[in-house]
Amino acid sequence: ILNVEQSPQSLHVQEGDSTNFTCSFPSSNFYALHWYRWETAKSPEALFVMTLNGDEKKKGRISATLNTKEGYSYLYIKGSQPEDSATYLCAFYNFNKFYFGSGTKLNVKP
Amino acid sequence: EAQVTQNPRYLITVTGKKLTVTCSQNMNHEYMSWYRQDPGLGLRQIYYSMNVEVTDKGDVPEGYKVSRKEKRNFPLILESPSPNQTSLYFCASKGVFQPDTQYFGPGTRLTVL
Repeated sequence: ILNVEQSPQSLHVQEGDSTNFTCSFPSSNFYALHWYRWETAKSPEALFVMTLNGDEKKKGRISATLNTKEGYSYLYIKGSQPEDSATYLCAFYNFNKFYFGSGTKLNVKP
Repeated sequence: EAQVTQNPRYLITVTGKKLTVTCSQNMNHEYMSWYRQDPGLGLRQIYYSMNVEVTDKGDVPEGYKVSRKEKRNFPLILESPSPNQTSLYFCASKGVFQPDTQYFGPGTRLTVL
């Protein structure tokens, strides 16, 4: 079983703060890294699929970077809003299997 | 609308009574997968399928069966459910060419008494 770790486990920020989380994964046999946003009582929703070392993806105020050589990815949220409150999951994909981290739970206070 | 559907959404059953959770997708995706989510743990993959009649084990396959007779459907079968299979289950699908987004169904909350 591959180990995918996310930190921190939870984060409380004020509206307008910028924040970032980390996803660590094995640096060998890399194929893809997925990021998801998971709101309470809903299902996970894809944010990014990252495949190349040095990749940087952006969607609105959310962006992600990827370092496959050292086995980590960062997710950044600029100017957090209360609607950004959710759990953010990363998943390492290789040999047709997904390995999920346990997530970072973000709470943005108005 | 592109979607993954699961049924039932909620199920309470008793130990040993066989059950099936259905999953269907309308995006013509080759890859389909089942996950379970338990408190304090991340999503864990139960089984996945690369295409019709091609299925393989994920990390936690014990106690589950799957079949893929049609491209759109991927049912999860619990032949003899036990209380430790009480969990939130998600079905998901994606294409097989990178980068391919994985789409999740709404989830099925199963309680085994």
